Amino acid sequence: DAGVIQSPRHEVTEMGQEVTLRCKPISGHDYLFWYRQTMMRGLELLIYFNNNVPIDDSGMPEDRFSAKMPNASFSTLKIQPSEPRDSAVYFCASTRTELMNTEAFFGQGTRLTVV
Amino acid sequence: GNSVTQMEGPVTLSEEAFLTINCTYTATGYPSLFWYVQYPGEGLQLLLKATKADDKGSNKGFEATYRKETTSFHLEKGSVQVSDSAVYFCALSPTGGGNKLTFGTGTQLKVEL
Repeated sequence: DAGVIQSPRHEVTEMGQEVTLRCKPISGHDYLFWYRQTMMRGLELLIYFNNNVPIDDSGMPEDRFSAKMPNASFSTLKIQPSEPRDSAVYFCASTRTELMNTEAFFGQGTRLTVV
Repeated sequence: GNSVTQMEGPVTLSEEAFLTINCTYTATGYPSLFWYVQYPGEGLQLLLKATKADDKGSNKGFEATYRKETTSFHLEKGSVQVSDSAVYFCALSPTGGGNKLTFGTGTQLKVEL
């Protein structure tokens, strides 16, 4: 398996623009997580899905952020409008129910820079 | 709520030195505890885990023991290598909480020749 695939790896955008980050989880995994990593705040859970349904979005910073999972093999995290403080590395991770309380598999991340 | 506290870095060691990275946690019940490692430019990878008190997780020469009495899960390695240079994250998954991981802030380790 190719692992969790995120795209793009790097994104530079201007303030006010819409940004869409993409994630393909490992086939057969029924949990998908979006994390944000910054120097100041470390690794924060933004939202997670189980069987394509959002379970907990309490970590989503504000209404400018939205996430969808239209099917088991694809998820997006959208920021509209983007702001410089959104600059961070965004990670997607997946796992499956049988692996509860164990390993989550992470993608390589998308480094977002908002100028 | 649940939280994980780890020692701040960076930690700089010479090759073959002994490593300890401290981690303490706050959680109700009996969480599962993890150490993840992040190499430059990559995502996080599971290094080791422990799911109940007094369990010892081990992998690649690293060890950590789940100490409920001190709510700790310190990471140790007897002899570090340059290739161990990375950021190490302590994390917990709460009792019955599925796979919702809470991470510490990470500790950067630099190993020099």
